[in-house]
Parts: sequence; C-alpha cells; structure tokens
Amino acid sequence: GAGVSQSPSNKVTEKGKDVELRCDPISGHTALYWYRQSLGQGLEFLIYFQGNSAPDKSGLPSDRFSAERTGGSVSTLTIQRTQQEDSAVYLCASSVGQGPQHFGDGTRLSIL
Amino acid sequence: QQQVKQSPQSLIVQKGGIPIINCAYENTAFDYFPWYQQFPGKGPALLIAIRPDVSEKKEGRFTISFNKSAKQFSLHIMDSQPGDSATYFCAASKVTGGGNKLTFGTGTQLKVEL
Repeated sequence: GAGVSQSPSNKVTEKGKDVELRCDPISGHTALYWYRQSLGQGLEFLIYFQGNSAPDKSGLPSDRFSAERTGGSVSTLTIQRTQQEDSAVYLCASSVGQGPQHFGDGTRLSIL
Repeated sequence: QQQVKQSPQSLIVQKGGIPIINCAYENTAFDYFPWYQQFPGKGPALLIAIRPDVSEKKEGRFTISFNKSAKQFSLHIMDSQPGDSATYFCAASKVTGGGNKLTFGTGTQLKVEL
C-alpha cells in the first residue's frame, strides 16, 4: 500500500498481558515515529527511529514499553505487563528524513 | 508542562464561514509548526505547515498565520464546508538537531453546519 500500515487495528487484552503492535512505514521513509493518543493525555510522542542511529526513547512512559525497528523498515512496539492506563490509540508515522510525517490509522488498544 | 496550548476546544460554524483555531507555544527552539486534520477512526493527516521565517502561508482554503514575537500561530479555513468537520491539531517541533518530534496541542473539534 501507499500509506503507513498498522496492525492490528484493534486489540483487546487482559491486564498483565504483553502486547505487540506493528507498523509498516511508507517505502523509502528513513524515519519512523510512535505516538500515543489518549483522552487524558492527547497526542504524545513515544519513540523515534532515524536510519541506523540509536533510537530516541525519551517519550516512553515506563520501562514496560520498548520498540525495535528491523532492517530499517518494519517496527514493533511492545508493552509488557499491560495496565489499564495503557489503553489508548497507538499511532505510527514515517517520514523522509526530518520531513513531513505521515500517520497510519493506529491500533486501538483496550486493557480489560 | 503543556508546551503547545490550543483553543478553542470546540467550534461550530455555518457553511461558508471562516473558523479560526489558535495555538501558542512556549519553547523558542521550535522551528516547525504543522497542522493536522483527523477524522474519527483515522490517523492525523497533514494539512499545512509553516517555518518561523514567514508570517503567513496559504494552501488552497487553508491559511496559517504566524507571530514569532508572540509565539502564536493560527489556522484559518476559508469557505468552510461540512466535509471540513473534523478534529484539528496544531503541533510544533525542533527539526534542526531535534529529530522533528512533534508536540501536539489538545485539539479542536470543528463542526460545519449547513
């Protein structure tokens, strides 16, 4: 596809379980970002990958959150031991270098 | 600390009206100011963006006005249409040496009535 693809589109899980969210960026985009959108906190930055540089993890809310980007393309955001406050829409964006960011439609995560 | 303040929270205008959404930022290092439009169930889509070296930018019916000294910027939508009904977010980032990590405003829900 032409846009950023995220999967799954919806995820419901029990508190304490681990979840993995996937992002396929636009082909050729070197930068990849994860954001979280929640009612209480709005849209907030989580983590940023640029080429082969070390990721900028300054927005991750706790050590339960981690992300990796394999082969400079697909990225996975992992949340361990999920808590109810992790319920949110997780958005991925990609860009050419530090150009305009293009967002996917997100994964809606619900923690029961 | 909320670095980008957005107002109003919601806005209703008549078709053909000119809704105006305002944002103010605190960090003088910010050098990139985009506006995003979001429909329910979709990700934010870039509408228009401005750098601080210009005071106004127009793209189609969308205009950004930028006041560097006041640290404020606003979005104007000319000849608004019902299809413009969506949530609008302003954002700011430091591109040069900053990785372009976006800091978002809290959003404005716009409704354009017939």
